[in-house]
Amino acid sequence: DGGITQSPKYLFRKEGQNVTLSCEQNLNHDAMYWYRQDPGQGLRLIYYSQIVNDFQKGDIAEGYSVSREKKESFPLTVTSAQKNPTAFYLCASRNYREDPTEAFFGQGTRLTVV
Amino acid sequence: EDQVTQSPEALRLQEGESSSLNCSYTVSGLRGLFWYRQDPGKGPEFLFTLYSAGEEKEKERLKATLTKKESFLHITAPKPEDSATYLCAATDSWGKLQFGAGTQVVVTP
Repeated sequence: DGGITQSPKYLFRKEGQNVTLSCEQNLNHDAMYWYRQDPGQGLRLIYYSQIVNDFQKGDIAEGYSVSREKKESFPLTVTSAQKNPTAFYLCASRNYREDPTEAFFGQGTRLTVV
Repeated sequence: EDQVTQSPEALRLQEGESSSLNCSYTVSGLRGLFWYRQDPGKGPEFLFTLYSAGEEKEKERLKATLTKKESFLHITAPKPEDSATYLCAATDSWGKLQFGAGTQVVVTP
């Protein structure tokens, strides 16, 4: 089945640790996105990438890092510099170059700092 | 700076009571306006894409419209299963896809 897969679904991190969230898509989409969602709030853009080996900061990139070595994959690392990382993280992908299409979302990763 | 603003933050409706949600945007070079529905603990589910002012899209009890400055999502005769958070998003010429904070809709029987 075509789709976008995020793993793990739940993740627990100790303070001071880096953790990496996985996002894989088999939709052959050019663009991929990472968002953070806090309780009762909308989606805030962390990073996005339109082509392999290139990415741009979103509105809240501090404390996060990404890579785009393959078209299908866009992992997000939450570093120890992110002071309040507990949140719901969503990855999305879409075609962009011609008429921009809608983004398809994964089911999310809920990260909790313990 | 690009901004997407949704209002109201929350909306409580009786079943059958129609209403509208607003999404205003200030995005340079808008290339598309999207509406999504999100249920608790899940990823957003796509509803509509609007590309140009004057465009309208309809699906069951939902209708989305677009002007040069804002978009509306009209909910006609809502049912309890329409309860969700409705998100709008705008995309620009550079590929950025920016969301509003959402409107939480509760429809009571």
